[in-house]
Amino acid sequence: TQLLEQSPQFLSIQEGENLTVYCNSSSVFSSLQWYRQEPGEGPVLLVTVVTGGEVKKLKRLTFQFGDARKDSSLHITAAQPGDTGLYLCAADNTGGFKTIFGAGTRLFVKA
Amino acid sequence: DADVTQTPRNRITKTGKRIMLECSQTKGHDRMYWYRQDPGLGLRLIYYSFDVKDINKGEISDGYSVSRQAQAKFSLSLESAIPNQTALYFCATSDLLGQGQFFGPGTRLTVL
Repeated sequence: TQLLEQSPQFLSIQEGENLTVYCNSSSVFSSLQWYRQEPGEGPVLLVTVVTGGEVKKLKRLTFQFGDARKDSSLHITAAQPGDTGLYLCAADNTGGFKTIFGAGTRLFVKA
Repeated sequence: DADVTQTPRNRITKTGKRIMLECSQTKGHDRMYWYRQDPGLGLRLIYYSFDVKDINKGEISDGYSVSRQAQAKFSLSLESAIPNQTALYFCATSDLLGQGQFFGPGTRLTVL
């Protein structure tokens, strides 16, 4: 069974701090996505990474796909209260027809 | 207007009742999915469909059925609801590349 493990499960930080959350697996994936979910809403796609070692930036968010395509990290610089939410990673198996989701990292940024 | 819509947004029902959750999309995507979300368990796939004539079971399909009425519509049914089906249910779509999904706002279902 393919599993995606996210860490930490919960993170509470002050506005302006930096943070990194991780998504790890023992399986190789064809692509990996990061989503953010706010209470009462569905997950919103932030980024898709496809190539091993790939780095993508979205304003203050930096996403990296591991060289072996088994893991990924999300780094947020100078976190703001608007970054508060549940961050989910998801990965597609090498056939590209099934996506599995991690349990998520719940981030709370205090003003 | 939202690209993926779900109805109803909230539903409270009793054990044994038949429930249908509906999903519509205007993104023109062929692929559609139904997930349930429980605290600490993330999103788990119930069923998915890659086109109108294609229906596939996900990891937790027992107790659920689906119907793909058109490219834009994918409904989920609980034939006889039970309390452990209380959860958030999400519909999602993706294009043929499948690299990333677009989710509806969810349905909060409570089975008493």
